[in-house]
Amino acid sequence: NAGVTQTPKFRVLKTGQSMTLLCAQDMNHEYMYWYRQDPGMGLRLIHYSVGEGTTAKGEVPDGYNVSRLKKQNFLLGLESAAPSQTSVYFCASSSDSGKLLSYEQYFGPGTRLTVT
Amino acid sequence: DQQVKQNSPSLSVQEGRISILNCDYTNSMFDYFLWYKKYPAEGPTFLISISSIKDKNEDGRFTVFLNKSAKHLSLHIVPSQPGDSAVYFCAASWGRSYKYIFGTGTRLKVLA
Repeated sequence: NAGVTQTPKFRVLKTGQSMTLLCAQDMNHEYMYWYRQDPGMGLRLIHYSVGEGTTAKGEVPDGYNVSRLKKQNFLLGLESAAPSQTSVYFCASSSDSGKLLSYEQYFGPGTRLTVT
Repeated sequence: DQQVKQNSPSLSVQEGRISILNCDYTNSMFDYFLWYKKYPAEGPTFLISISSIKDKNEDGRFTVFLNKSAKHLSLHIVPSQPGDSAVYFCAASWGRSYKYIFGTGTRLKVLA
């Protein structure tokens, strides 16, 4: 049981290049999320998905696109990378665990992206 | 506007003593709160949570207190251990939302 995995772990891009970050989970979770973490900013939600084939915008969606074609995978795309997208990206997943109000999230190890 | 605030970027505590990490929020609709711990080069891991119907939740050395009138929660670690050295994030959610608002984190250093 690997939990949540992210590919790649590190990447350096030039301004204007594109790339896709892959997140995979093997816990059969319905919900998946992409966050970015920047110094002094905490974790900010980029996009999320409440099920296969569905996606929605979070707090900071501009410059990113996502797709959830399979329940276990959630892809984050950067069409034209900018230096402002230099960050650490975390994927997370969660499930309806039966809690009354909310759902604990399980995080991947992160992808460190640098855009020069 | 930061809805969840952790005003102390860092905290140092002697091993064996109590660590108290604080978190303030502004949105009175928040009704579920979580604490996550993060080691360098790893993703955050869930530590403990509390719903707004409670004012305290314990799990071993970790206790979270919620003061709804003050919109304040705190995480107590007793006794603190060097392995507790990490960044701690508080997060808040509302209703049956799948989304959380995270604080900026507090870096805890436990000195041996």
